[in-house]
Amino acid sequence: GENVEQHPSTLSVQEGDSAVIKCTYSDSASNYFPWYKQELGKRPQLIIDIRSNVGEKKDQRIAVTLNKTAKHFSLHITETQPEDSAVYFCAASLTGSARQLTFGSGTQLTVLP
Amino acid sequence: DAGVIQSPRHEVTEMGQEVTLRCKPISGHNSLFWYRQTMMRGLELLIYFNNNVPIDDSGMPEDRFSAKMPNASFSTLKIQPSEPRDSAVYFCASRSMSGARYNEQFFGPGTRLTVL
Repeated sequence: GENVEQHPSTLSVQEGDSAVIKCTYSDSASNYFPWYKQELGKRPQLIIDIRSNVGEKKDQRIAVTLNKTAKHFSLHITETQPEDSAVYFCAASLTGSARQLTFGSGTQLTVLP
Repeated sequence: DAGVIQSPRHEVTEMGQEVTLRCKPISGHNSLFWYRQTMMRGLELLIYFNNNVPIDDSGMPEDRFSAKMPNASFSTLKIQPSEPRDSAVYFCASRSMSGARYNEQFFGPGTRLTVL
């Protein structure tokens, strides 16, 4: 089955700086890679996703890049703000089927004011 | 739409008792997932259903756990008997297998279970 590894487990940045979280996956057939944000005591919520036919996707201050050859993908947050502080999870799965998501272990991001 | 609904939001019980967690998926969604989240093990998939049929229950930790989905709008996760190591937040999520957002899983608010 799929295995997703996520690094780092914790990340602290100064407000305004950029944050990068990296994930690797094992199943070369995976073609859907979402990122979820979970604030303290809340549910995980999708913030951005990317499919394997795209190398990069951007949505305002967040972007995701995908390298299918190396089987890794990354989340980039620019101009970080205190409200970006949360746990971020990457995941991988197949699309167009009933397959489940395999989640990474999460990254606790803290944005210091 | 009210989103995925879970009940109860908090449950405190004693070891050995039966616990039933409930989930109502988003109307029209045809996949439903049960997850368990702990600090030590992160977010673990327990079981998921497509069109009310269990597809993969390999994540169910042991026979004390069971899940049902009698219809498209309701699912239960039961633990009998419960043990302190079952203490966790249990999330239900649902997904549509068609439409523009067909891959996105929408999570419920979770049930925080404490087994004393």
